[in-house]
Amino acid sequence: GAVVSQHPSRVICKSGTSVKIECRSLDFQATTMFWYRQFPKQSLMLMATSNEGSKATYEQGVEKDKFLINHASLTLSTLTVTSAHPEDSSFYICSARGLAGFSYEQYFGPGTRLTVT
Amino acid sequence: DQQVKQNSPSLSVQEGRISILNCDYTNSMFDYFLWYKKYPAEGPTFLISISSIKDKNEDGRFTVFLNKSAKHLSLHIVPSQPGDSAVYFCAASRGNTGKLIFGQGTTLQVKP
Repeated sequence: GAVVSQHPSRVICKSGTSVKIECRSLDFQATTMFWYRQFPKQSLMLMATSNEGSKATYEQGVEKDKFLINHASLTLSTLTVTSAHPEDSSFYICSARGLAGFSYEQYFGPGTRLTVT
Repeated sequence: DQQVKQNSPSLSVQEGRISILNCDYTNSMFDYFLWYKKYPAEGPTFLISISSIKDKNEDGRFTVFLNKSAKHLSLHIVPSQPGDSAVYFCAASRGNTGKLIFGQGTTLQVKP
């Protein structure tokens, strides 16, 4: 299957700082990338959908000014958690869908563990 | 509002036996369903999917059954292997948006 990477895999930051997470499709062009968040022992919750070259679409309840998403190229999307607080500590996972993609042609990255102290 | 539910948080089966993981949904507009396998601190790995126009899809040891009238799907793993031990998520999608709504997950343990 296609490979999606995320960087960093783990990050610890202080409350009030900003953190950027990168999601890259390594061997295919991703027109659409999705960002999910998973709290311990809970489901993956879709945060936003990002299409290359356009503004991200956020799910209800997700603050777009807090979670800045940029999808500048067909292989890279970034999620920036601004002014992070301890309640933002979570496992963030991206997925990418290719040019000819149906729903199932969606590949997930390994995730990023964010801890805000 | 949990549109996709996996009511069993855990399941334990003996190696070689069948594992049956269940999933219920409430939104009749969902038209594509997927199962993912996930290990801790890793992203989900796609296993198998089914379109709402079908009632069964098989891929090797994995079979997914869909009962639209009951809004229920299940994943059968036969025979179960210790390497199948992981968290299994079902997910549903509507149209070709790519947006996936995940269930809470079921932790499967296959004992040797």
